[in-house]
Amino acid sequence: AQSVTQLGSHVSVSEGALVLLRCNYSSSVPPYLFWYVQYPNQGLQLLLKYTSAATLVKGINGFEAEFKKSETSFHLTKPSAHMSDAAEYFCAVTGGSYIPTFGRGTSLIVHP
Amino acid sequence: ETGVTQSPTHLIKTRGQQVTLRCSSQSGHNTVSWYQQALGQGPQFIFQYYREEENGRGNFPPRFSGLQFPNYSSELNVNALELDDSALYLCASSLSGMGAGSGNEQFFGPGTRLTVL
Repeated sequence: AQSVTQLGSHVSVSEGALVLLRCNYSSSVPPYLFWYVQYPNQGLQLLLKYTSAATLVKGINGFEAEFKKSETSFHLTKPSAHMSDAAEYFCAVTGGSYIPTFGRGTSLIVHP
Repeated sequence: ETGVTQSPTHLIKTRGQQVTLRCSSQSGHNTVSWYQQALGQGPQFIFQYYREEENGRGNFPPRFSGLQFPNYSSELNVNALELDDSALYLCASSLSGMGAGSGNEQFFGPGTRLTVL
């Protein structure tokens, strides 16, 4: 069985501030982990993925995430938020099957 | 290179009707997955097709069915529509038969917004 928990349905930051979006997972086998971004009225776009190589994964648009097995976490960070980062962010896990499980999403709000 | 496209963009149906949604995969991709995204929720996996065969299914009833064609385009059919079927339906294409399960990237279309009245 596998599951994903995204802590905080909304995260609000000021432009230029650190972005931290939290994701905890459970999986009975070593997982693949993904972060996606969804802009209004659009599909999902892959930001980054962990597939058992380096634990610190760098993605597009300055985002990165660190896989921490001991904490079963895969938090998404960006050093400096930009107005264009405002969107919905989804964490997803696949573990042992090809059926991905998505979290409920975190809405990132960026204030000028 | 053409991305994933879906049609129609919006659709309104009444309870009990049937609907067909269409997806054109990214060029060269042989695997397509369909997802249901209810308002305020993450996408839920419906099923996956690889080379015209269903090779994985989520927790959805049989009234959700699909097809994949030789050109790898795909359809999602939903019979006997219920109010709870109102959602954004996303399709995603990828290169391998395992889709997201292999760690391969899935490319998502913009979705079809289905409203059931």
